[in-house]
Amino acid sequence: DAGVTQSPTHLIKTRGQQVTLRCSPKSGHDTVSWYQQALGQGPQFIFQYYEEEERQRGNFPDRFSGHQFPNYSSELNVNALLLGDSALYLCASTGRFRGREEQFFGPGTRLTVL
Amino acid sequence: GDSVTQMEGPVTLSEEAFLTINCTYTATGYPSLFWYVQYPGEGLQLLLKATKADDKGSNKGFEATYRKETTSFHLEKGSVQVSDSAVYFCAQYNQGGKLIFGQGTELSVKP
Repeated sequence: DAGVTQSPTHLIKTRGQQVTLRCSPKSGHDTVSWYQQALGQGPQFIFQYYEEEERQRGNFPDRFSGHQFPNYSSELNVNALLLGDSALYLCASTGRFRGREEQFFGPGTRLTVL
Repeated sequence: GDSVTQMEGPVTLSEEAFLTINCTYTATGYPSLFWYVQYPGEGLQLLLKATKADDKGSNKGFEATYRKETTSFHLEKGSVQVSDSAVYFCAQYNQGGKLIFGQGTELSVKP
């Protein structure tokens, strides 16, 4: 089991462009959450997907959107990129193992907006 | 709203020193509490957790006790090693299903 995987690992974009980040959850997990971690800060919750629906959303503008596929993998899309969108984007997958909820983070995608 | 506050870093210690990183939280209910560690260039790893008052989470020599009366979850380790150098995040998990993180505390351990 590869655990939670994210792609790409690094990405450089310019202001105004659009970007798509991808996450594959741990095998058996059905919920995916996305977090933004700016340099020197703690991660901030963007949104969470379950059964292909956005279940909860943090305080992020509509430029941030997402999708979950039938195989539980997920995409995070950011439109009209701003310099302030430069951050590490973390994906977390959640599921149940032996009756207990567990959550694992992926290694993240480092997005730089120039 | 719900929040987590950690002591500011960086914290610099000598090897084998005692470590305390303070963490307090505000919450409307009774969240689960976590400590995560982030090594340079990597994602987050769960270090320990506690799900109810007076629970003690422990892992790799680190400990933290869920104190409801002081709304705290301080991280401690009796003897730090150079390999413990990392950024440590305190977090709460509320009924809404999201983690709320503190700002992180950078720990640097010198030989």
